[in-house]
Amino acid sequence: RKEVEQDPGPFNVPEGATVAFNCTYSNSASQSFFWYRQDCRKEPKLLMSVYSSGNEDGRFTAQLNRASQYISLLIRDSKLSDSATYLCVVNMEKFYFGTGTSLTVIP
Amino acid sequence: IAGITQAPTSQILAAGRRMTLRCTQDMRHNAMYWYRQDLGLGLRLIHYSNTAGTTGKGEVPDGYSVSRANTDDFPLTLASAVPSQTSVYFCASSYTPPRGGSTDTQYFGPGTRLTVL
Repeated sequence: RKEVEQDPGPFNVPEGATVAFNCTYSNSASQSFFWYRQDCRKEPKLLMSVYSSGNEDGRFTAQLNRASQYISLLIRDSKLSDSATYLCVVNMEKFYFGTGTSLTVIP
Repeated sequence: IAGITQAPTSQILAAGRRMTLRCTQDMRHNAMYWYRQDLGLGLRLIHYSNTAGTTGKGEVPDGYSVSRANTDDFPLTLASAVPSQTSVYFCASSYTPPRGGSTDTQYFGPGTRLTVL
């Protein structure tokens, strides 16, 4: 079983839609959690850290469920510029990356 | 320099040749990492270094070597390149507290696109 698993998508949504991604991780001792965004042929960039209490940054909300070992990312009011691949990252001594979920926001 | 840089940006290499990918960061991060990214496989850790003078093997270390002579630089060497090493290579760095605690997020360089023919 992979340490981190994500639905690869693709998710194609209209502008203004709300979209949610989930990610599961296998190691209950995982320490910290992140969502990264990667644009085509570019490096991954941190979108937001994920805290146990959940956290929000503008249109983006991240949540962590330790009991079920998953994290989620909710994007509200999708913009064309949100089109990218979203990587789930779990840290347990090393960083483990999901393969990414592809999002395309359609005009 | 601001952040983390990699060189070259891209390279086409004949099989059997030796190649060193360079990575430099100016954030004084103690930990550095090399990943390769292939379609459908995501980012896979090749080697890492938790502090200058130490290195460790990641998920796919075969055919690669690294060194960490100082805090800023973390070169990745392919001793004898093979076509299966065609990939995009990302270097990253992060700060890990020396006495435990959560590692800070990783920051990535812009990547090196390597083609081995």
